Amino acid sequence: SAVISQKPSRDICQRGTSLTIQCQVDSQVTMMFWYRQQPGQSLTLIATANQGSEATYESGFVIDKFPISRPNLTFSTLTVSNMSPEDSSIYLCSGVTYATEAFFGQGTRLTVV
Amino acid sequence: GENVEQHPSTLSVQEGDSAVIKCTYSDSASNYFPWYKQELGKRPQLIIDIRSNVGEKKDQRIAVTLNKTAKHFSLHITETQPEDSAVYFCAAKWDNNDMRFGAGTRLTVKP
Repeated sequence: SAVISQKPSRDICQRGTSLTIQCQVDSQVTMMFWYRQQPGQSLTLIATANQGSEATYESGFVIDKFPISRPNLTFSTLTVSNMSPEDSSIYLCSGVTYATEAFFGQGTRLTVV
Repeated sequence: GENVEQHPSTLSVQEGDSAVIKCTYSDSASNYFPWYKQELGKRPQLIIDIRSNVGEKKDQRIAVTLNKTAKHFSLHITETQPEDSAVYFCAAKWDNNDMRFGAGTRLTVKP
C-alpha cells in the first residue's frame, strides 16, 4: 500500500493570502485527487490531477482559485489563492493506481482569519 | 461521469445490532468498489473492497455485497461496537482509475 505525506497539517492564514499544500507519495500513482471536507461531512472533490496535463476541476471550482501542479507521478500541490474565511476547511489529497484503492494524505486543516 | 449515491446519511444503532449502508452507482463500467471508515480528525481508511467479478466479500464482522445488474452495493456491519462509530464512505472506480465517493454515512453505535 502507498503512503501519502501531506503538509502542512494545519495552518492559520490571513485573508487575501495564499497557501500551498503539498502531497508526496512513496510510490507512483496514476491519478491524484484533491478534496475539501468539513469535519465529519462529505468529501467534496475539487479537482483531479494527472501528470503532464492540466487538472480537471469540478463544478464550482476554478483554476485561478485552486491552481494545482502535478509535475510527476509521486507529487502534487494545491494552492488556495486569495483566501477568505469561507475557505476554512480540511483539504485532503488522495492517490490511486490501477491495482489499488485510494490512499489519503492526513489532511490540512486550514483556518482563514 | 460517475455518480455515487449513498444512504442513509446518518444511522444510529444499539450496540450488538447490525448496520447496513447502501450505495448506487451510475456507470456500468465501474469495476471496483471500496468502503472507507473515517474517524473524527483522521483520514479515511479502507476497511473492505469488492471487485466487479465478485458478489460478496466478508471480513470478520464486515461484509460487502454487490449487485451489478442493479448497480448497487452495500456494507454490512454485524455485532456493532461503539468503536464502529465513524463516518463511512462508499466509492466506485472504473478503468481509467477515476474514483468517486458517496456523500458518507455517519454511524453512531449506542452502548
